[in-house]
Amino acid sequence: DIQMTQSPSSLSASVGDRVTITCRASQGIANYLNWFQQKPGRAPKLLIYTTSNLESGVPSRFSGSGSGTDFALTISSLQPEDFAAYYCQQSFAVPYTFGQGTNLEIK
Amino acid sequence: QVQLVQSGAEMKKPGSSVNVSCKASGGDISSYAINWVRQAPGEGLEWMGNIIPIFGTTNYAQRFQGRLTLTADKAATTVSMELSSLRSDDTAVYYCAKVKPYSMSNAFDVWGQGTLVSVSS
Repeated sequence: DIQMTQSPSSLSASVGDRVTITCRASQGIANYLNWFQQKPGRAPKLLIYTTSNLESGVPSRFSGSGSGTDFALTISSLQPEDFAAYYCQQSFAVPYTFGQGTNLEIK
Repeated sequence: QVQLVQSGAEMKKPGSSVNVSCKASGGDISSYAINWVRQAPGEGLEWMGNIIPIFGTTNYAQRFQGRLTLTADKAATTVSMELSSLRSDDTAVYYCAKVKPYSMSNAFDVWGQGTLVSVSS
């Protein structure tokens, strides 16, 4: 199985900050890397697919980058509604494994 | 826009089985892989398996092999997940999710609302 290592596991930031969450795959996954946002009691929401493609309706302050084994999600200017959990996921090969998640909290 | 609606919460005894359904409305899901993901309380997301309804082809995560069965109805509008030999650590919210169409990404763009399965004696 492909292991996904996400960091940091938690992050405190302020509205307006620029934040980056990273994700490393245990083997090459080309660009098959997706990012999800999850708020308490809600289903995950797709933000970015295949590394850098913004899902429809997602604000442009979210961006993704990377290739091979190393990937990143950047939020350019945090808004109050962005405080949530974030997960990376590889969709290169089954089982489609997730990172352990990053809890983004208000400082 | 396709929506996925899951069946309601379940309370089960250890050793029993649970069946959770995922019904599509507003679009055709028959040719798209429907995935199942679970989340234990306070934990992360875990992929369990998927099925392509029109073909009935399945993939299962190794740790669920022999306990997990995914099926689709003949109309390919409802997918069901059966998990057997339940243990207390199967207590989780179970989600179905479809892959994004017209894309080779295998990304999950539409999710069901989740079904809480509680396993306790």
